[in-house]
Amino acid sequence: EAGVAQSPRYKIIEKRQSVAFWCNPISGHATLYWYQQILGQGPKLLIQFQNNGVVDDSQLPKDRFSAERLKGVDSTLKIQPAKLEDSAVYLCASSLGPSTGQETQYFGPGTRLLVL
Amino acid sequence: QKEVEQNSGPLSVPEGAIASLNCTYSDRGSQSFFWYRQYSGKSPELIMSIYSNGDKEDGRFTAQLNKASQYVSLLIRDSQPSDSATYLCAVNRNQGGKLIFGQGTELSVKP
Repeated sequence: EAGVAQSPRYKIIEKRQSVAFWCNPISGHATLYWYQQILGQGPKLLIQFQNNGVVDDSQLPKDRFSAERLKGVDSTLKIQPAKLEDSAVYLCASSLGPSTGQETQYFGPGTRLLVL
Repeated sequence: QKEVEQNSGPLSVPEGAIASLNCTYSDRGSQSFFWYRQYSGKSPELIMSIYSNGDKEDGRFTAQLNKASQYVSLLIRDSQPSDSATYLCAVNRNQGGKLIFGQGTELSVKP
């Protein structure tokens, strides 16, 4: 079974530029998560989708971050414009069914973003 | 007060010893608890989940949960150098699937 796929793996941009990350979850997984992990910290949830609907985006900086999962499968996370403090690893995760609180979340390899 | 707190470490133990990792959480209504392992430069992988008070064992790993004390721990028996990683405690406060992670404890197992 293929795991969660993410691209690109690394990205270097200058502040005020825009960037987009792509995630393809495990086949059949209904729930998709985007996390931000700053060096030395645990992951922080940015947005959670169930199929193509948003379940939780309370910690997404909506003035600069946007995300979509139009067909309920793959997803894109965008930052525009980027700030220095956005330098982090962006992790995508997926889980099988509707959120019950006990399902396993499987993480992709992440995209490492450096903003100069 | 952080929602999920862990000692950042590093925790250093000799090979073959028991490693004890601790985590406290602030929301008394939290229902599900997870331990993830994260090797340097890699993504987190789930190693244990626990939902009710008491102990849960899986091979060399034992998770312990005490909801009254708002405390969850992970014991690693017969620690191996390959166990050297950062261990992340994660808590689900309700049925919505949102995980709150601690900052992680770095474990180093010395041969």
